[in-house]
Amino acid sequence: GQQLNQSPQSMFIQEGEDVSMNCTSSSIFNTWLWYKQDPGEGPVLLIALYKAGELTSNGRLTAQFGITRKDSFLNISASIPSDVGIYFCAGPGTQGGSEKLVFGKGMKLTVNP
Amino acid sequence: GAGVSQSPRYKVAKRGQDVALRCDPISGHVSLFWYQQALGQGPEFLTYFQNEAQLDKSGLPSDRFFAERPEGSVSTLKIQRTQQEDSAVYLCASSSLSGGLRSGANVLTFGAGSRLTVL
Repeated sequence: GQQLNQSPQSMFIQEGEDVSMNCTSSSIFNTWLWYKQDPGEGPVLLIALYKAGELTSNGRLTAQFGITRKDSFLNISASIPSDVGIYFCAGPGTQGGSEKLVFGKGMKLTVNP
Repeated sequence: GAGVSQSPRYKVAKRGQDVALRCDPISGHVSLFWYQQALGQGPEFLTYFQNEAQLDKSGLPSDRFFAERPEGSVSTLKIQRTQQEDSAVYLCASSSLSGGLRSGANVLTFGAGSRLTVL
């Protein structure tokens, strides 16, 4: 089945630093989504990407849809303590229709004040 | 309601017991999804409803798992004869879109999940 590989699996950074994470797919995606999950909560959508090469920002977050359509990255600038959480990339499953999402394993971010 | 509501938030079951997990989606949302999230993993798709119709149940891991949405709103995920490997957080999500990702970003709103621990 489809697999999404996220890296790194975890990061420990100081407040104010930038952080980048990426996601690669074994197959071509036509949509890339980035979610954040806080402890004890469900994932919340941060950014959605629809076109190869697209670069989209949402505040301190910037995400890009790779030209090959098999990868995406998310960058967080000037991190703050509330950025702590698990970040997931996700894309549409190609088996059984595209209604379902396939998620990566997540990147756990820790921000030291 | 304002968000997706799931209950119970926490459930401890003895191996072999049946459990039922409830999801109240956002009012009027057509699509409803169930995902299973094991510790340290991303959510994995279980099943999808459009209104009361279960259109995709390809992710249900065994015939012990059963989901229903009889009136197209509230949904229940039932797990029979629970096993230790069923321990996970079960997430419900809903969306106002009926075409899923084929009609653009399917902005799923997730509930906080039901954490199931099977002893």
